[in-house]
Amino acid sequence: GAVVSQHPSRVICKSGTSVKIECRSLDFQATTMFWYRQFPKKSLMLMATSNEGSKATYEQGVEKDKFLINHASLTLSTLTVTSAHPEDSSFYICSAGQYESPLHFGNGTRLTVT
Amino acid sequence: AQRVTQPEKLLSVFKGAPVELKCNYSYSGSPELFWYVQYSRQRLQLLLRHISRESIKGFTADLNKGETSFHLKKPFAQEEDSAMYYCALGFTGGGNKLTFGTGTQLKVEL
Repeated sequence: GAVVSQHPSRVICKSGTSVKIECRSLDFQATTMFWYRQFPKKSLMLMATSNEGSKATYEQGVEKDKFLINHASLTLSTLTVTSAHPEDSSFYICSAGQYESPLHFGNGTRLTVT
Repeated sequence: AQRVTQPEKLLSVFKGAPVELKCNYSYSGSPELFWYVQYSRQRLQLLLRHISRESIKGFTADLNKGETSFHLKKPFAQEEDSAMYYCALGFTGGGNKLTFGTGTQLKVEL
């Protein structure tokens, strides 16, 4: 079945630094990739929609300058958390899909900012 | 705006008992509903979608537009069903963009 690889699975960084998270579709071309943030015991909050070759569409309240998304190819999207702060600590999940087919999810990235 | 409500954060049942995970949605257009499951330490994966009308792992869900519900049901719970279940809503023109509910943790006890 379709596989989405997310890397790294865990990352710890110091406050003020930037962290890049990768999301790859391994065996299919993803026309759309989504980035979510999951808070403890809460739902997945959609952060942005990423389409290959175009700018990401951010959800209301998500700072585009803080969460930089790049979707350079049909198999790779990256999320860069810039100038990270402790409140950015969270679980970030990506998903990838092809047109209107069901989404496939990555394993998530646990970000801890110290 | 679209909204998905899963009223139960935790549902605990005994093995062999029936299971019903509730999901209600709010959307003025024609909805597409999904159930995703996340087993311990695993990624979110699609369990079923309403348009396929199939039964996966013994689970079924019927879209009730009158009650705006898409409850997930299984007649006899198994221990391996213990997981986090998310109801999700897709909408016309949204591509595969989904709105998720807050999830229900199902715990099947022996």
